[in-house]
Amino acid sequence: GQQLNQSPQSMFIQEGEDVSMNCTSSSIFNTWLWYKQDPGEGPVLLIALYKAGELTSNGRLTAQFGITRKDSFLNISASIPSDVGIYFCAGLGRKTSYDKVIFGPGTSLSVIP
Amino acid sequence: DAGVIQSPRHEVTEMGQEVTLRCKPISGHNSLFWYRQTMMRGLELLIYFNNNVPIDDSGMPEDRFSAKMPNASFSTLKIQPSEPRDSAVYFCASSLLQGTHEQYFGPGTRLTVT
Repeated sequence: GQQLNQSPQSMFIQEGEDVSMNCTSSSIFNTWLWYKQDPGEGPVLLIALYKAGELTSNGRLTAQFGITRKDSFLNISASIPSDVGIYFCAGLGRKTSYDKVIFGPGTSLSVIP
Repeated sequence: DAGVIQSPRHEVTEMGQEVTLRCKPISGHNSLFWYRQTMMRGLELLIYFNNNVPIDDSGMPEDRFSAKMPNASFSTLKIQPSEPRDSAVYFCASSLLQGTHEQYFGPGTRLTVT
């Protein structure tokens, strides 16, 4: 079945550093979504991507829809302590008669002040 | 505008008891999703409703789990009887099916079965 892989699994960075993480799949996806989950809360949508090659920014966050449609990247510039959390990618693929959103396992980000 | 509302936020119960989790989706959204999150298995889709009709329940672990959506503004996830391995955080999410498929999550219910 369709699965997503995220790397790295976890990251420890210094405040002010830039962060890069990615999401890959063996299947083609038509939409990519990036979420952030704070401890004790539900995932919050950060960025949505709808076309191959699309590059979208949301403040210090930038995400790209891979040209092969099998991957996506999220970059965070000048990290701050509140960036701590788990970042999930999600892809919209095709399952029989409806489109199903598949979530990756997440990348845990820790920011050292 | 209120987001997805879930209740209770925390539930502690003894093995064998019935547990009911509740969700109110965002007004106007026509799709509703129930997820379970654990350290071992991550975020798992349990069941998905579109226009109050269950579309995919292949993620429901076993017959002890059931979900209903009697109207567009309310859904329940019931576990009967509950077992310790059901301990997890249960999330409800809603989205507009037609269009972006962006899902908006509630704050979750943390369930502990002792």
